[in-house]
Amino acid sequence: DVKVTQSSRYLVKRTGEKVFLECVQDMDHENMFWYRQDPGLGLRLIYFSYDVKMKEKGDIPEGYSVSREKKERFSLILESASTNQTSMYLCASSPGGSLYEQYFGPGTRLTVT
Amino acid sequence: KQEVTQIPAALSVPEGENLVLNCSFTDSAIYNLQWFRQDPGKGLTSLLLIQSSQREQTSGRLNASLDKSSGRSTLYIAASQPGDSATYLCAVLQTGANNLFFGTGTRLTVIP
Repeated sequence: DVKVTQSSRYLVKRTGEKVFLECVQDMDHENMFWYRQDPGLGLRLIYFSYDVKMKEKGDIPEGYSVSREKKERFSLILESASTNQTSMYLCASSPGGSLYEQYFGPGTRLTVT
Repeated sequence: KQEVTQIPAALSVPEGENLVLNCSFTDSAIYNLQWFRQDPGKGLTSLLLIQSSQREQTSGRLNASLDKSSGRSTLYIAASQPGDSATYLCAVLQTGANNLFFGTGTRLTVIP
């Protein structure tokens, strides 16, 4: 079974802090994704990566950056956390190519105070 | 831009009933459509994936259909159980893209 893990289930940070969210997948997938999920807005793509050191902006990249130094790990970085970044963050991975399922991690509930 | 809509936003049914969840999308140029389940405060679990060339997929009590030309998909759940209570999300993979476009989900409650 594909396993996607995220470093924290719950996280509380203060405004202005730098925040790192880590995601690791164990199935050698080429593609990895970061989404945020908010009530009434659904899931929105922040960034995705289709290879090591490669990244593409999604729909809402502002205020975020990402890092993919190894194939299995995709990090989301909030350079200076703000209260409007309080959300559920979901990581996903999928094999290369466009025909495959995305597999999701358990999510990180981030609260910025 | 692709827009995915799920109606209704919430649904309550008595245990044992068969039910249908609906998903519609505006742009029929898709690679595939995926149905997910999400329990409160948890991540997404993939239920079924239908490729654009397929009409339906089945897994146990679940059956998903796809009508690409009309921009619609349905998820049929047979003999519903309280354990089916969750939010169900559909998502489409747009042609030429790597990311999914999600609907906002249908929250299903199955009453014992």
